[in-house]
Amino acid sequence: AQKVTQAQTEISVVEKEDVTLDCVYETRDTTYYLFWYKQPPSGELVFLIRRNSFDEQNEISGRYSWNFQKSTSSFNFTITASQVVDSAVYFCALRMNRDDKIIFGKGTRLHILP
Amino acid sequence: NAGVTQTPKFQVLKTGQSMTLQCAQDMNHEYMSWYRQDPGMGLRLIHYSVGAGITDQGEVPNGYNVSRSTTEDFPLRLLSAAPSQTSVYFCASSYRSGNTEAFFGQGTRLTVV
Repeated sequence: AQKVTQAQTEISVVEKEDVTLDCVYETRDTTYYLFWYKQPPSGELVFLIRRNSFDEQNEISGRYSWNFQKSTSSFNFTITASQVVDSAVYFCALRMNRDDKIIFGKGTRLHILP
Repeated sequence: NAGVTQTPKFQVLKTGQSMTLQCAQDMNHEYMSWYRQDPGMGLRLIHYSVGAGITDQGEVPNGYNVSRSTTEDFPLRLLSAAPSQTSVYFCASSYRSGNTEAFFGQGTRLTVV
């Protein structure tokens, strides 16, 4: 069975601090895809990044970086020098190649305090 | 391009009433899906479809029906609404290739009283 666990329900940090959001997934498949989405207070879901199971390269995009480790089944997301605008709920998701469905973790609510 | 369009944005139903949440996409995506979002529960998959005429159940399908007669549309039907179905509903679509992200509608906030 496939599963995504985001153990951190809620995190609060002071602006300019770095913060890491954890994501652990479970799957028996060898081909799968991982995603991160952001849901700001306005409610829409914004795509941030995708990664396939064969690409373990870390990625950096501005203040955002992602660390994918198959050995620990983790796909963690780090925000460097956080800003108030980063306050949102962040979701990690897993997609299986065999049936296409996308399942989400329960999300982490991030508060960036000024 | 409109992307993924959900209607209505808000709805209040009485227990036992039926209704259909509409979802349409104009990106020629094969995959479409419905999620419900409840506090502390994340996004839970209700039903999904990988093409016209093909649907399958997700994690929480009970109380909901779907059909996929065209590539563009994927309506979600509540046959007899219950207070437990009070939630925010999101429709999403994507290409079937797994290495593509899903695009989401703006959501429908449904309250069942």
